[in-house]
Amino acid sequence: GQQVMQIPQYQHVQEGEDFTTYCNSSTTLSNIQWYKQRPGGHPVFLIQLVKSGEVKKQKRLTFQFGEAKKNSSLHITATQTTDVGTYFCAGPKTGTYKYIFGTGTRLKVLA
Amino acid sequence: DADVTQTPRNRITKTGKRIMLECSQTKGHDRMYWYRQDPGLGLRLIYYSFDVKDINKGEISDGYSVSRQAQAKFSLSLESAIPNQTALYFCATSDTPWWGRIIANTGELFFGEGSRLTVL
Repeated sequence: GQQVMQIPQYQHVQEGEDFTTYCNSSTTLSNIQWYKQRPGGHPVFLIQLVKSGEVKKQKRLTFQFGEAKKNSSLHITATQTTDVGTYFCAGPKTGTYKYIFGTGTRLKVLA
Repeated sequence: DADVTQTPRNRITKTGKRIMLECSQTKGHDRMYWYRQDPGLGLRLIYYSFDVKDINKGEISDGYSVSRQAQAKFSLSLESAIPNQTALYFCATSDTPWWGRIIANTGELFFGEGSRLTVL
C-alpha cells in the first residue's frame, strides 16, 4: 500500500545550525501538508503545497514540493530552541480523501 | 476554550473493558477524524466522517467503531480493549475547500489535545 516515509527519524542540532527533514511517498501526491507537534502537544498545521516544484517560505522555514510530486522537504535555517518538536508530512492516499501521515522527524535543538 | 475538545484526556483501563473517547468541536466543520499515534509510527487514521451520515474506515479500523452523533460530535469506541490499543488518540476536524471535492484534498486539520489511553 501507499507509504509516506520521513528521514531522518531523529535529529539533534546545535542552536543556530540548519535542519532539513525529507518526506518521500511511494505514489504521486496531489498535495502535501506539513505539521509540527511540540513535546506533549498536538499536531499543528504549518503549510500546504499543491503545485509541482512549489517552494514556500515562512520566516526561517522553507518548504519544497518535488517536481514529480512524490517528495517534499522542510528546511529550517538557524534553528532556535523554539523549533523543538516532531515534524510530520501528510498526503492524501491516491484517489481518496484519506490523509496518510509520514513517520515524523523529531528535532532536538541544543542550546 | 479549545475549538476541538477531547474527553477523557487520560484513561487507564483493563483488558476487555469497553471504552469510549469523545470529541466535540465548535469550528462548524463537516469533516471529523480519529487518529492514533504510536512512537515511531506517526499518526494513523482510524475512521473519518465527512458528514453526519457518512462514516469511512481508515488505515487501522479493526477493533474500533465510531458514531457521529451530530455535526459537532464524533466518538470513538473500543468494544473490548486490548493492551496493543494503548496509544495517544487524536480527534481532528477540517473544513472542505470548494475545490476539495474535485481533487482529493481536505483543508488543514485541526487537532484536539489528545486522549492518552492505557490498557492493562
